[in-house]
Parts: sequence; C-alpha cells; structure tokens
Amino acid sequence: QQQVKQSPQSLIVQKGGISIINCAYENTAFDYFPWYQQFPGKGPALLIAIRPDVSEKKEGRFTISFNKSAKQFSLHIMDSQPGDSATYFCAASMSSGGSNYKLTFGKGTLLTVNP
Amino acid sequence: SAVISQKPSRDICQRGTSLTIQCQVDSQVTMMFWYRQQPGQSLTLIATANQGSEATYESGFVIDKFPISRPNLTFSTLTVSNMSPEDSSIYLCSVDDSKETQYFGPGTRLLVL
Repeated sequence: QQQVKQSPQSLIVQKGGISIINCAYENTAFDYFPWYQQFPGKGPALLIAIRPDVSEKKEGRFTISFNKSAKQFSLHIMDSQPGDSATYFCAASMSSGGSNYKLTFGKGTLLTVNP
Repeated sequence: SAVISQKPSRDICQRGTSLTIQCQVDSQVTMMFWYRQQPGQSLTLIATANQGSEATYESGFVIDKFPISRPNLTFSTLTVSNMSPEDSSIYLCSVDDSKETQYFGPGTRLLVL
C-alpha cells in the first residue's frame, strides 16, 4: 500500500516557468510533510517542510501548499532555473515525542528545467 | 545542520559476500535510520537504529540480512549480508536532529555481481 502518491513522474519546464509537483497521502495521522531535493550521486537534501496547521509556507522561490481536507500537498518552484533540475521527493511522517521519524516517501519527480 | 559521512562511497562486490557500511555524524543524535534506494526509485526505510537498543526493522527487512550496530550517539554500521544482485542499491543513512528535520548522508552505491 503506497501511503504517499506523487505526480508527475517527470516534468519538463522552461527557464523562468513554474514547476508544480503534487502529493497525496492516505494516513490522517501524518503531521509533518517535507520535500527533499536530490541531485545525481548525492543524498536527499531537505528543501522545505510544512505542518498541517498552516495552508502555505514559502521559502524563497519554493512554496508548499497544503490542503488538509483533501489530504494533498504540493511544491511550487517559481522562476525555475536549470540548477533546479533534480529529483524531488515528497514525504510524510508522524511526530513522536517531539521528533519526527520514519519518513514515508513518494516515488519522486524528475524535474528538468531547460535553459 | 548535521553533517553525515558514509564509507565506502561505492563498492562492487561478489555475490555471497558481505559489506559493512559506516555512517558517521558530526554531532550526537538519538535516532539514526538506514534507507535503501534502488536505481531510479524512491527511498525505503530498512530500520531505525537507536543507541543502546536493538534496531527496529521495517516489514520485509530482517536482522540476519541487514545487521545494524549503533555503538554510540555519532556512529552506526549497516551490513548487507550474503549479497545477491538484487541488493544492488544506494544505501543511505539519515539522522533526526530532534528539530523536525532528517538529514541524509551522501549514500553508498553498491553493485553486486
């Protein structure tokens, strides 16, 4: 059972455009939703994260939108740059004792930003 | 943020052998995790390793195949035992800094022939 569904599998965007990646989850106990960016040959790096008490979080060109009732969240990359070309993973976890653990990952989206 | 290193960065091994992967963190952390990422795929949690206790394995992963050690708060090892070509993957360790963030190491790329 896939608990976090991510789409699209791949995405091609022109430089300066908006990249949008969507995720949906099934477990209503999830309360922490991070996005990771992974470049080839590297480990995933935390990009931005959100908790369900807010509907949107913005950090620079990256924005997470969260819809608790629909159990969906999305990553928006504004003014996409060729350097943003990477694989993006959404994830979800449940808090325990103040720290998050056992991340469940989506299958990933390969983003290509053309110059 | 925690800085994580892994050794080896990559290896090519023969089937039937075992490989031990090391994970070193630059600060003391309570929770460490081991993930597997098969080529072009997502990350799957193998086990959670807490210092002073036995590792907790996820469904589909067993201690005999993936024994884990956690001797202190900055170090852990994962052994991939009796390897087969299906074990060819990237193995990643991560740590929870108790501030809502998991940091990942660079990964160990394993090819089993």
